Amino acid sequence: GQSLEQPSEVTAVEGAIVQINCTYQTSGFYGLSWYQQHDGGAPTFLSYNALDGLEETGRFSSFLSRSDSYGYLLLQELQMKDSASYFCAVRRSNYQLIWGAGTKLIIKP
Amino acid sequence: DVKVTQSSRYLVKRTGEKVFLECVQDMDHENMFWYRQDPGLGLRLIYFSYDVKMKEKGDIPEGYSVSREKKERFSLILESASTNQTSMYLCASSTSGDGPYEQYFGPGTRLTVT
Repeated sequence: GQSLEQPSEVTAVEGAIVQINCTYQTSGFYGLSWYQQHDGGAPTFLSYNALDGLEETGRFSSFLSRSDSYGYLLLQELQMKDSASYFCAVRRSNYQLIWGAGTKLIIKP
Repeated sequence: DVKVTQSSRYLVKRTGEKVFLECVQDMDHENMFWYRQDPGLGLRLIYFSYDVKMKEKGDIPEGYSVSREKKERFSLILESASTNQTSMYLCASSTSGDGPYEQYFGPGTRLTVT
């Protein structure tokens, strides 16, 4: 079967650092994506890793290890506006993504 | 600014009705997708299209059909709505090829079938 595993909920404090992990088992792998979705909103793209290593974009970083079928999203200097659900998704073909169930990030002041 | 629009934000239909959900993108993207999103299940692909008049089944196509007569428009059809099709429906579009792969989403349609 094909599956992505990520924690259902993570809680952190404003200003802190949080890491959201994703492990995957899929047939076909082109890359790992991360999306953010606020309540009532649409998913929006954060990052895409096709190769092993760390990609940094401002306060957000994403890591991939293809040999371990594992990746993570790192959020630094957390702000209240970062409260949202975060989804990892594997690109399994030229077109298709397979999605994890999402991680709800709760940020406390 | 890239844009994907969906015909309705909220829709209430009765069991057995035929339901049309429409999606339009203005980015000249080849690929378009219909997902449904349910709590705890993430996004599940219903159908996608990689070209005009071309369509392929996703993971949960049963009870749905699609139409893509023009590049910018992708319609999802529920032939006979049932209560288990109550969900959030999200449309997305993308290009193909190498490089960072991003799907652009519309705001979603929350469909309730009573």
